[in-house]
Amino acid sequence: DAMVIQNPRYQVTQFGKPVTLSCSQTLNHNVMYWYQQKSSQAPKLLFHYYDKDFNNEADTPDNFQSRRPNTSFCFLDIRSPGLGDAAMYLCATSRSSQGYEQYFGPGTRLTVT
Amino acid sequence: GENVEQHPSTLSVQEGDSAVIKCTYSDSASNYFPWYKQELGKRPQLIIDIRSNVGEKKDQRIAVTLNKTAKHFSLHITETQPEDSAVYFCAASTGANNLFFGTGTRLTVIP
Repeated sequence: DAMVIQNPRYQVTQFGKPVTLSCSQTLNHNVMYWYQQKSSQAPKLLFHYYDKDFNNEADTPDNFQSRRPNTSFCFLDIRSPGLGDAAMYLCATSRSSQGYEQYFGPGTRLTVT
Repeated sequence: GENVEQHPSTLSVQEGDSAVIKCTYSDSASNYFPWYKQELGKRPQLIIDIRSNVGEKKDQRIAVTLNKTAKHFSLHITETQPEDSAVYFCAASTGANNLFFGTGTRLTVIP
């Protein structure tokens, strides 16, 4: 009965080699988020989709892109990963804005070699 | 933008004692304040939340208090157990699909 699923759970990529992380949800929530969490730090919001509307945080590097082909799926594309992009990437969903709980996926741990 | 500060960064308590974690926020428009628990290598999970029209909320051993005037809110865990050991994050939101996290508190409950 997993609600927010992330694949893969662990991803190793080479410096500069594009990588895509996947998130899917069974909750039919209209908002999906991508967070980056580095070791011993708080999750940092990269961007979110409200339905099909994409909202980028001001300090999210251009290297990070996202796609949401339908309600259930959302992808995080890192065009040219650097060593500093190694982190846990968390996907979350919520029913809407205005203070609804965000449900987090288990995360994808990205290693850049 | 919103700035959430959280203290302490680490907290050790004896089993059965209480633990208190405090957060402050900067944006007076924030109206939703969740607390997440994250065990090592696992996803953050909501443990309790409070909205700005409420001053206190309790759920069994966990309670949260909110002081809108002072812009601070606190998590209280009573009768702590070893399984309460984790990193706890506070967060604040103005709605509009944002959630700003504090820096986290690593709680260790010593048996």
